[in-house]
Amino acid sequence: GESVGLHLPTLSVQEGDNSIINCAYSNSASDYFIWYKQESGKGPQFIIDIRSNMDKRQGQRVTVLLNKTVKHLSLQIAATQPGDSAVYFCAETPNDYKLSFGAGTTVTVRA
Amino acid sequence: DAGVIQSPRHEVTEMGQEVTLRCKPISGHNSLFWYRQTMMRGLELLIYFNNNVPIDDSGMPEDRFSAKMPNASFSTLKIQPSEPRDSAVYFCASSLGEAQPQHFGDGTRLSIL
Repeated sequence: GESVGLHLPTLSVQEGDNSIINCAYSNSASDYFIWYKQESGKGPQFIIDIRSNMDKRQGQRVTVLLNKTVKHLSLQIAATQPGDSAVYFCAETPNDYKLSFGAGTTVTVRA
Repeated sequence: DAGVIQSPRHEVTEMGQEVTLRCKPISGHNSLFWYRQTMMRGLELLIYFNNNVPIDDSGMPEDRFSAKMPNASFSTLKIQPSEPRDSAVYFCASSLGEAQPQHFGDGTRLSIL
């Protein structure tokens, strides 16, 4: 079946450096993508989304890049802070509501 | 503004008991979702409501699970009878509509002994 997966399960980043989290998806019909951050004991927190008619979108300290040719999604976090330590999930949907989540990447920020 | 509110935050009960999880979506959101999160299967969509009507319940594991949304500000997920394999974190999420960001509550951690 179709699935969303992450290239790396963990990422260790020095505080102040930029982080890049990657995600591969296999459903070519997906047209809406979201990145979530989940801290321990909490629910997934919306970070940023992007639709298939775009290839880049920026938010506050975050940028999402979408490459539909190779079905790849990435999240860039600028000037990573200790509060950015969490598990990050990408999610995609071909029908606007049924999100398929990746396995998640654990980001650890080193002081 | 208040986010999605779930109760209880933790529930421990013995197998065979009925479990009811509750959710209050964000005011004004007309889409509501119930998810289950486990280490083995990650986040899975159980059921999706739009304007209080169940649209997609294909993720509901079996007849032991049921969900209702009697009005725009309240939903329940019920498990009867509960089994140990139902142990997981259950999340409720809401959104303004389809193709809109889903906002999650902090979940109910359910343990069935």
